[in-house]
Amino acid sequence: EIVLTQSPGTLSLSPGERATLSCRASQSVSSSYLTWYQQKPGQAPRLLIYGASTRATGIPDRFSGSGSGTDFTLTISSLEPADFAVYYCQLYGSSSWTFGQGTKVEIK
Amino acid sequence: QEQLVESGGGVVQPGRSLRLSCAASGFIFSNYGMHWVRQAPGKGLEWVAVVSYDGSKKYYADSVKGRFTISKDDSKNMLYVQMNSLRVEDTAVYYCAKWGVYYGMDVWGQGTTVTVSS
Repeated sequence: EIVLTQSPGTLSLSPGERATLSCRASQSVSSSYLTWYQQKPGQAPRLLIYGASTRATGIPDRFSGSGSGTDFTLTISSLEPADFAVYYCQLYGSSSWTFGQGTKVEIK
Repeated sequence: QEQLVESGGGVVQPGRSLRLSCAASGFIFSNYGMHWVRQAPGKGLEWVAVVSYDGSKKYYADSVKGRFTISKDDSKNMLYVQMNSLRVEDTAVYYCAKWGVYYGMDVWGQGTTVTVSS
């Protein structure tokens, strides 16, 4: 079973700053299998990035995904007030899906 | 637009059963696999189960295997999960989600809350 580890647990930043979120898999995986979501309090998750680097429909270009093998990154180039939320990475493998534990991006 | 609406949540005693439903609209339901994902209070997301677009393949998280059954009715555009032998640790908001591009979930419902408590 592949384990996903997100870091940091919490990221305290100010609007306009750059956010870099990490998602590490316990073994090498296909980039096609890596997905990122955003979740705000009381709301369902929203698909941000699929295939490690492709933005979903309607996602602003300040969000970008990168990485391969075991290390993947979600970058928010300049934080907007609406971006303060929890972010999850997700991995498909062996007919099951696994979520990371999440990174909370909070206002500093 | 594409929409999912869950229903059927509630308070149930340990060991009892509950069936959740998810009504889909705005897309060709029979063309897509569907997931259930849950979130315990204050916790992260946990994948629960998936059914393939044609209903022929079903996969489950180890935590629910043998107790939960996922199904879809394409004639009604409905997704279900039958939850038996419920445990306190099954308490969560349950979301249905559409299997979109690649291996992501591109449409989510608003969730329905299940509380397992004596």
